[in-house]
This record gives sequence, structure tokens and C-alpha cells, in this order.
Amino acid sequence: EPEVTQTPSHQVTQMGQEVILRCVPISNHLYFYWYRQILGQKVEFLVSFYNNEISEKSEIFDDQFSVERPDGSNFTLKIRSTKLEDSAMYFCASRPTVTNTEAFFGQGTRLTVV
Amino acid sequence: DAKTTQPPSMDCAEGRAANLPCNHSTISGNEYVYWYRQIHSQGPQYIIHGLKNNETNEMASLIITEDRKSSTLILPHATLRDTAVYYCIVRVAGLGNTGKLIFGQGTTLQVKP
Repeated sequence: EPEVTQTPSHQVTQMGQEVILRCVPISNHLYFYWYRQILGQKVEFLVSFYNNEISEKSEIFDDQFSVERPDGSNFTLKIRSTKLEDSAMYFCASRPTVTNTEAFFGQGTRLTVV
Repeated sequence: DAKTTQPPSMDCAEGRAANLPCNHSTISGNEYVYWYRQIHSQGPQYIIHGLKNNETNEMASLIITEDRKSSTLILPHATLRDTAVYYCIVRVAGLGNTGKLIFGQGTTLQVKP
């Protein structure tokens, strides 16, 4: 069964450093997303991406965040200068269309900022 | 997207049916009801969705009331592996929508032996 793959599973970084979280969505999917979940809190939408551009972003997704689809398979989330409060699980998701279909989520990257 | 209300937690005996309610009284005519679950800290997993008719798949059944203001997710024979947080999400599923999901706090289902 096709799946969304995220790497690394766990990333530890020092405050102020840049991190790139990587995702390989399901191959024929067109819509891509990043969500995050701070420990003990709910899953929060960050950004949606379609046709090589951001289609919607939340208030959380400020100038420190960026997304990119550098080739036909990878979808990345970059945090330029990490803060302690960026520590969270980050989930990538993809779906084939936005009409009556479900989103498929990866297993997440646990980001720890120290 | 319409807001949903779910009980924060529920228990269910292993082998029995788990019935998880969701209230979505402000749902619009073009909004679907989706259910996802999250086991421990894994990525959310799709379960089922529907518009107005009851739906069934290999994982669960979804019962939507006639006025569409509430729904119930039914896991017919709960197992210990069904222990998870269950999210009821209402969203428009059509062109022009980005497809984002807005998660609430969900219902923590504890299946007990």
C-alpha cells in the first residue's frame, strides 16, 4: 500500500539553527500539507501546497517557515532559525484531489530544539 | 468549516462495539463529515467519511442523522489496538478548497480487556 514517508524520524537541533524536514508524498498525489503537533496538544494545520505554490497557510506559518518541492518526489519544510517553541511532531500529508478524498499522513518527524 | 463537539474520553470493552458521537449542528449542505484517528503519536489515519448517507467500510460505520447535525462512528468489535484519539472533522470537499483539516481535541477511546 502506498504511503507518505518522512525523514528523519527524530531531529535534534540547537536554537537558532536551520532545519529541513523531508517528506515523500504518494506518487500520484497533487496536494501536499504540513501539520504540527506540540506535545499534549492538538494537530495544527501549517500550510497547503498545490501546483508548486502555497495555496493556504496558517498564522503559525510565518517568515521563519518555507516549503519547497525541489523535484518530482520530495516536499520539504524549512525552519530558518529554530526556537524552543518549534519543538513538536511535524506531519506531512498528501491527497490526490481536494474533492471527496482522504488525506494520507506520514509518521511524522519529532523535532527537538535545545 | 463547521465546528464539531466530541466527548473528551470514552471507554469500551474489548470485543464490544464502540460508538463515538460527534455534534456538528452548524454543518452546511456541502460539508462532509470525516473521521480520523491518531494512535499514540503516530500520524493521523483516515477512517471513513460521508455526506448524508450512512457509510460502512472495513474499519467502521458512520451513521449521520437525517438533519446532519450529528453523527456516530461505530467500531463494531473494538480491539486493544483501537485505543486512540478519534477526530471528527467537518469540511467542504470541493474545488476551490485547499483540503486542509482542522483538528479539534477529539475523543480519547480506551479499549479495555
